[in-house]
Amino acid sequence: GAGVSQTPSNKVTEKGKYVELRCDPISGHTALYWYRQSLGQGPEFLIYFQGTGAADDSGLPNDRFFAVRPEGSVSTLKIQRTERGDSAVYLCASSLTGLAAGANVLTFGAGSRLTVL
Amino acid sequence: GENVEQHPSTLSVQEGDSAVIKCTYSDSASNYFPWYKQELGKGPQLIIDIRSNVGEKKDQRIAVTLNKTAKHFSLHITETQPEDSAVYFCAAFGDSNYQLIWGAGTKLIIKP
Repeated sequence: GAGVSQTPSNKVTEKGKYVELRCDPISGHTALYWYRQSLGQGPEFLIYFQGTGAADDSGLPNDRFFAVRPEGSVSTLKIQRTERGDSAVYLCASSLTGLAAGANVLTFGAGSRLTVL
Repeated sequence: GENVEQHPSTLSVQEGDSAVIKCTYSDSASNYFPWYKQELGKGPQLIIDIRSNVGEKKDQRIAVTLNKTAKHFSLHITETQPEDSAVYFCAAFGDSNYQLIWGAGTKLIIKP
C-alpha cells in the first residue's frame, strides 16, 4: 500500500484480556519496527524484524508481549494478560532495508491506541 | 546505552519568527540523527535527518546542525507558519543495535 496501515486504530479492553494489533507495512519494505508511545513521551523501541525474523526483540518489556511476521510482510503484536500499564499508542514503522544498512527512512503508521481498563 | 535529551519541552514562537530545538546524546558511536514531526492522532513523520559525516543540512525552511564533539544536534525552523505547530522529536541511531533512541519531544506552538 501507499503507507503503513495499522488496525485497529483504537482498542479498549479489560485487564487480563488478550489483544492483537496488526501492522501492514509499505509493500517491498523488508524492515519492520514496533514502538510504544506513552502520553507526552517519545516512542520506545519494542522489536525489529528483518524479513520474517526478529533481529532485535530486546525492547519487549516482558514475556506477555510477542510479535510475529510469518511471511515477511504483515506483522502482529500480541499482548497477553493485559495490564493497565500497557495502555499506550503502539506504533509500527517500516523501511526499505534496516537502519544499519544506511540511508533509510522509517515510515510510521498512525498507531493503535490501546486502553486497558 | 544511548540516551537522548531534548529541550525545551514546549516552545511558543510568533508566526514568522525562528524556532530552535536542541538535543544531546550520550553514545559517541551514534551516527544518524533524524528529526520527526508528529501531529495529533498521527504517527511521526521524518522531516530532516543528518549523518555524522556532515555538520549541517538544510531543506527550505528547516535546517539541522550537528556538533559531534559536544554530542549535540539542533533543529532550526525559520519563518515559522501555523502548520509548523506540532510535536517534534529528535532521535539517534548507532550501528551497535537496530534501535532509534528518541528524545521526549518538543511541543511547538506558533502564535498568530
